[in-house]
Amino acid sequence: GAVVSQHPSRVICKSGTSVKIECRSLDFQATTMFWYRQFPKKSLMLMATSNEGSKATYEQGVEKDKFLINHASLTLSTLTVTSAHPEDSSFYICSARGYPTPGNEQFFGPGTRLTVL
Amino acid sequence: GENVEQHPSTLSVQEGDSAVIKCTYSDSASNYFPWYKQELGKRPQLIIDIRSNVGEKKDQRIAVTLNKTAKHFSLHITETQPEDSAVYFCAASPGGAGTASKLTFGTGTRLQVTL
Repeated sequence: GAVVSQHPSRVICKSGTSVKIECRSLDFQATTMFWYRQFPKKSLMLMATSNEGSKATYEQGVEKDKFLINHASLTLSTLTVTSAHPEDSSFYICSARGYPTPGNEQFFGPGTRLTVL
Repeated sequence: GENVEQHPSTLSVQEGDSAVIKCTYSDSASNYFPWYKQELGKRPQLIIDIRSNVGEKKDQRIAVTLNKTAKHFSLHITETQPEDSAVYFCAASPGGAGTASKLTFGTGTRLQVTL
């Protein structure tokens, strides 16, 4: 149980376009979802936390108008990278926790590799 | 906010030896400390976690110790095997609900187990 999927797994886009990444909890209700960004050989950096039905809370330095997060249901959160630039190229990973998953554990999606040309 | 430091950044051990990775944290409100294993291009996988009301936890070849007074916790892998080779991340969290459950990750340790 506690499976999180992400789509797409890989995306290449041109500068200036927008890209949407979906994160789904397949067998539990995700009351909270997290979006991370990971550069090659680096750690996971939290971008934002979203609770179902409310606005996301962004970490310091993360532009909320550039990285739009929507958590409209208990099984789906989306991250939209608007007006993408090459420096937005990265590995984006979501995680989720909720019920009936136990305790504090977060379950991670497989990640989305974004390349902006 | 929370700051988690992790050492060493790389660790090479021979198969069968033990590996120890150490982390320190800054926020005394943190009370949940998971460890993740990440293989190249894959998602992080939880391998063990510990809560602040426990000093040590063991699961087969993996153990974690926590010293809340000193604000540090460690991962111990015994009888290492080549399949243990990966990047390991420690993390800390206040362990509450919503934003209070967010994880702050350490910088990662690349473990290589050689034959």
